[in-house]
Amino acid sequence: GENVEQHPSTLSVQEGDSAVIKCTYSDSASNYFPWYKQELGKGPQLIIDIRSNVGEKKDQRIAVTLNKTAKHFSLHITETQPEDSAVYFCAAFPGPGDKIIFGKGTRLHILP
Amino acid sequence: GAVVSQHPSRVICKSGTSVKIECRSLDFQATTMFWYRQFPKQSLMLMATSNEGSKATYEQGVEKDKFLINHASLTLSTLTVTSAHPEDSSFYICSARDPSEKAFFGQGTRLTVV
Repeated sequence: GENVEQHPSTLSVQEGDSAVIKCTYSDSASNYFPWYKQELGKGPQLIIDIRSNVGEKKDQRIAVTLNKTAKHFSLHITETQPEDSAVYFCAAFPGPGDKIIFGKGTRLHILP
Repeated sequence: GAVVSQHPSRVICKSGTSVKIECRSLDFQATTMFWYRQFPKQSLMLMATSNEGSKATYEQGVEKDKFLINHASLTLSTLTVTSAHPEDSSFYICSARDPSEKAFFGQGTRLTVV
């Protein structure tokens, strides 16, 4: 089955700097890769996603890149702000009707 | 994005009682919903897949008689924790996929069994 590895587990960046979180997946059939942001005591919130027919997608300060050959995908947050502090989960979706497989999460701290 | 509403957000119950958690998809129909449990500082652990009009599919190690799931309509799934004990205390989260297969999560329910 699919396996998703996420790194780093904890990341601290200075406010205004960029943050990058990386994930790898194992099942080449996976074709959809969402990213979720989870704040303390709340459910995960979908912040951006990418499908396997696209190499990069951007939404304001957030971007996601996908390398299908290497089975890597990454989340990039630029000009980080205090409200970006949260836990971020990557995920891979093997296909319709399948379960979404999550990474273990990255705790992002934005330092003042 | 789509909205998934989960209630209650917090519940405290006595040991031995049952608790029902509701999950609703507000602006789309969901034939499948998912229930997760999350321990502190850990990822989401899938408990079961809720299928509208049929029995839920439980993950290995999850007691189906303890965690009763009902998916009676295309917009509502419920999770009932029966005969709750302190070890059932946790954060429970539901999820539903919209027609494009994007998964949206509810706000989560913090269950405390005393």
